[in-house]
Amino acid sequence: DQQVKQNSPSLSVQEGRISILNCDYTNSMFDYFLWYKKYPAEGPTFLISISSIKDKNEDGRFTVFLNKSAKHLSLHIVPSQPGDSAVYFCAASPLHGSGNTGKLIFGQGTTLQVKP
Amino acid sequence: NAGVTQTPKFQVLKTGQSMTLQCAQDMNHNSMYWYRQDPGMGLRLIYYSASEGTTDKGEVPNGYNVSRLNKREFSLRLESAAPSQTSVYFCASSLSPGGGEAFFGQGTRLTVV
Repeated sequence: DQQVKQNSPSLSVQEGRISILNCDYTNSMFDYFLWYKKYPAEGPTFLISISSIKDKNEDGRFTVFLNKSAKHLSLHIVPSQPGDSAVYFCAASPLHGSGNTGKLIFGQGTTLQVKP
Repeated sequence: NAGVTQTPKFQVLKTGQSMTLQCAQDMNHNSMYWYRQDPGMGLRLIYYSASEGTTDKGEVPNGYNVSRLNKREFSLRLESAAPSQTSVYFCASSLSPGGGEAFFGQGTRLTVV
């Protein structure tokens, strides 16, 4: 069963507009969430994270929102740039001390294309 | 600034052959991970090592074994390769278990024929 789901395989936006990538999770033991970006033929690179005690974290053009009651998080990129075109993965980690500490579970990924 | 280094980058195996994927990190991280990436499936955790001396199964451990050789190195072994193990394999490390920022290697593209 997929504990972290990204239901949109792809997203296309115009340069300068907002990109919104979504992620849902099923395991209530997750308490730390991350977004990674991946270019072809490279390993994923860390983008931004959020702890379950917060509902928003911002870093420059990137903002992550967490809705714990809905088990949903989203990544907003404003403004979008052509260099943002990549595959974006969300990931989740369970509570420390839960016995599953160490597991970092990823979603399927969403391919973002930003058109000039 | 090597970060996480994986070897080899590419490999073709025949069904039934064995091989070991090597991974080393130079960031003094405690935790290390092995993932496989398949189309439409994202990154799936095979095994992880929360700290030196410990290893645990992830989401898809069948057909694999791991060794945390020391704090720097975490290897993944395929004892008898199968076509279903054709994939891109990524090693990663993080300072603490489960989190924070994990750093990834460049990946190993494995084809089993």
